[in-house]
Amino acid sequence: DQQVKQNSPSLSVQEGRISILNCDYTNSMFDYFLWYKKYPAEGPTFLISISSIKDKNEDGRFTVFLNKSAKHLSLHIVPSQPGDSAVYFCAASAGFQGGKLIFGQGTELSVKP
Amino acid sequence: DARVTQTPRHKVTEMGQEVTMRCQPILGHNTVFWYRQTMMQGLELLAYFRNRAPLDDSGMPKDRFSAEMPDATLATLKIQPSEPRDSAVYFCASGLGQGRDYGYTFGSGTRLTVV
Repeated sequence: DQQVKQNSPSLSVQEGRISILNCDYTNSMFDYFLWYKKYPAEGPTFLISISSIKDKNEDGRFTVFLNKSAKHLSLHIVPSQPGDSAVYFCAASAGFQGGKLIFGQGTELSVKP
Repeated sequence: DARVTQTPRHKVTEMGQEVTMRCQPILGHNTVFWYRQTMMQGLELLAYFRNRAPLDDSGMPKDRFSAEMPDATLATLKIQPSEPRDSAVYFCASGLGQGRDYGYTFGSGTRLTVV
């Protein structure tokens, strides 16, 4: 039972354009959402997070949007840079579960010069 | 920069052998996770600890996997006996509490190959 789903295994965008990565979840008890970025042969690194009491959080070129009614979140990267090429994982947690992070399958982003 | 240290980085072993992976969490972090990355499942949660006590190990095959924290500076994941289907990259992550503001810090992983 995949509670967090990233339905696009890969995404290719042109440098300077917007990258939009999507994530869906099924568990309505999730109250915190995170995005991680992963380069080959490295561990995932934390990128940005959002609480369920918000619908948007912004950090530089990265913005996460949360639509609770649709159980959907997205990560926007503007403008995209070649160094953003990596696998992006969406993760969710529920407070009553003690911070356990459930991850999606990941989306591989390729930003072409 | 503080980091989570995992050893070994790579391990090749024969089916049936015992495998032990080690993780040194960041000093002061009280929450430790073990994840496994596979092509099909993405990042699967195997087990996690808070203040060295196991909170959830429901993701682990209980008959062959075991996870422990002998002390606050060491977490171990053992597989006995290992099988080819255990081949994957195993990640350890640590953080404070529920990691809500800054997530958890991952190690570089142990790439396990069982032949």
